[in-house]
Amino acid sequence: KQEVTQIPAALSVPEGENLVLNCSFTDSAIYNLQWFRQDPGKGLTSLLLIQSSQREQTSGRLNASLDKSSGRSTLYIAASQPGDSATYLCAAPTGANSKLTFGKGITLSVRP
Amino acid sequence: GAGVSQSPSNKVTEKGKDVELRCDPISGHTALYWYRQSLGQGLEFLIYFQGNSAPDKSGLPSDRFSAERTGGSVSTLTIQRTQQEDSAVYLCASSVLAGGVYEQYFGPGTRLTVT
Repeated sequence: KQEVTQIPAALSVPEGENLVLNCSFTDSAIYNLQWFRQDPGKGLTSLLLIQSSQREQTSGRLNASLDKSSGRSTLYIAASQPGDSATYLCAAPTGANSKLTFGKGITLSVRP
Repeated sequence: GAGVSQSPSNKVTEKGKDVELRCDPISGHTALYWYRQSLGQGLEFLIYFQGNSAPDKSGLPSDRFSAERTGGSVSTLTIQRTQQEDSAVYLCASSVLAGGVYEQYFGPGTRLTVT
């Protein structure tokens, strides 16, 4: 059974700082790993999806990496802005099925 | 194009009543998922539809929960005899196999409050 962990639960940083959000998973035989952003009272927005054959994906100021052997993924946010304040969740499929197992998320606050 | 839509956005109901939540997936997406997000529990899988295959109901918490997907498109999640612990945000997602992966796209959710 896949288990996904995100620590810490909350993070507060000053604007402009580069930061790394961590995600760990127990079943290294994953097919992919997906990072999402959730704003208060809203649904989930997909940020990046890394396939099992890939090591990283980039979109703008975001870079996500995947290390299957160690059961870890990181989301790197460069030059953080107050608009980046949100909850970030990582998720991995449960076995061969595509249903996702989610971490509990990291609530990020970027202070102006 | 249009994303995943859900209705209603908010639903307040009395304990013991039945509720229906609706999800309109992205056109052409063959897979549809329901998840529940509650305080302290995070996001939990409920049920998964893929094409004409039998749905994966392994995440449904009790037999008061059921879902159907008509015509391979719209889905309805029904909760019978609602309880206060059913209060949560119910999220729907859809996906299609592309490049060997199912990237899921989520709707805005339905916030259910059982009083």
